[in-house]
Order: sequence, then C-alpha cells, then structure tokens
Amino acid sequence: LAKTTQPISMDSYEGQEVNITCSHNNIATNDYITWYQQFPSQGPRFIIQGYKTKVTNEVASLFIPADRKSSTLSLPRVSLSDTAVYYCLVGDSDDYKLSFGAGTTVTVRA
Amino acid sequence: DTAVSQTPKYLVTQMGNDKSIKCEQNLGHDTMYWYKQDSKKFLKIMFSYNNKELIINETVPNRFSPKSPDKAHLNLHINSLELGDSAVYFCASSIQGVRSSYEQYFGPGTRLTVT
Repeated sequence: LAKTTQPISMDSYEGQEVNITCSHNNIATNDYITWYQQFPSQGPRFIIQGYKTKVTNEVASLFIPADRKSSTLSLPRVSLSDTAVYYCLVGDSDDYKLSFGAGTTVTVRA
Repeated sequence: DTAVSQTPKYLVTQMGNDKSIKCEQNLGHDTMYWYKQDSKKFLKIMFSYNNKELIINETVPNRFSPKSPDKAHLNLHINSLELGDSAVYFCASSIQGVRSSYEQYFGPGTRLTVT
C-alpha cells in the first residue's frame, strides 16, 4: 500500500509562503499527484494536480522532482482564509489503491 | 446547485442500531466513493462503485454495506452500530475510475455519533 507522509502541522503568518512536502515512495507510474484542501465541517476540495515538474494555478503551485517520490505544495502569500488541512493523494504502484496522506494542518496567523 | 449531497448531515444513535446514509451526485460521474474520517482527520477509503459496480471494498466490517441503485446514488447502510463507528463519513464522486488522476468531488459529510 502506498505510504504517503506529510508533516502534521505548519504555522505561518499572513503574506508568507507555505510549502508542504508529501513523500510517496511507491507512487504508481501513470498516476498524478493530487492535493486537496479541507476546511472545518466541510468535505475536501481539489486544489491542484500534477504529474511531473511544476504546475501552477490561481491558488497554488506544485513542484514534483524527476523521481516523483515526493511533491511540494506551495501556497504563495497565505491569508487567514488559507487555514485548513491539506492532503496529498496518490495511487500505489502495486495495486493502484488510493492513499491519502494524514493531512497537514496549516494555521495562518495575523 | 449542490454537486454531491449527503443526508443526514448529523446522525446520533445508540449502539446496536441500524442506520443509513444517503448520497447523490448530479455531476454525471461514473464513480462514487465512501470515506471515513476519524477524529485525527485521517481519510480512509471504504468503498468505491463504478457504474453501480463495486470496485473497491477495503477491509471494512461486513456490518457496512454499500448499495448503488443507479450511478448517481450510493448509499451506506450500517448494521449493529458500535462506538468505534463514530466518525465523519464522506461521499465523493469522480468522472471515471479510481485513480488519483481523477478529481474527486466530496459531499459535506455526515457526522455519525454512536452513544
């Protein structure tokens, strides 16, 4: 089973950049790396997805090294409303089973 | 327009009871999921259906039985509820297949409390 590991929590201040790294040593060859954001009392929602190198959208960037055994979600200039739990999701190379990371609680302070 | 809806939002019941949670998606997706999120926020997939066919059945007690009457609905029935079943249950859907490549849309969750 794919084992995804992420830091449990990260603290930041408004306007700073937050980088969260997820390790996924056994990622499936053809699967993408997907990140989700979850606010309290809500379901997770999609933030960004990538296969390799760098992907950027209006809310985040995703950096993926050539070996794809890790990925880093980058949140530029965070605000208080970015306080949430962030999850990475990958598929396992052996059985394609989906594995969510344990989630990283990001707390943004004023 | 709610994409993925679940009912009820809260469910409080006693040990030993049987309860059901309903899920509906109006996105036209082929694949639906049930997840359990425990108090430590860990998200664990329980079941997945693709076009009404069960394709993932993780190690879940057989007291949990999913049913998909059509590809827009996936219900979860739980028999003989136990204290350890207390959690938030999320329904999700994706366009097709069970791969991390496919964006999943989650419902608002059902908070189940067993007393």
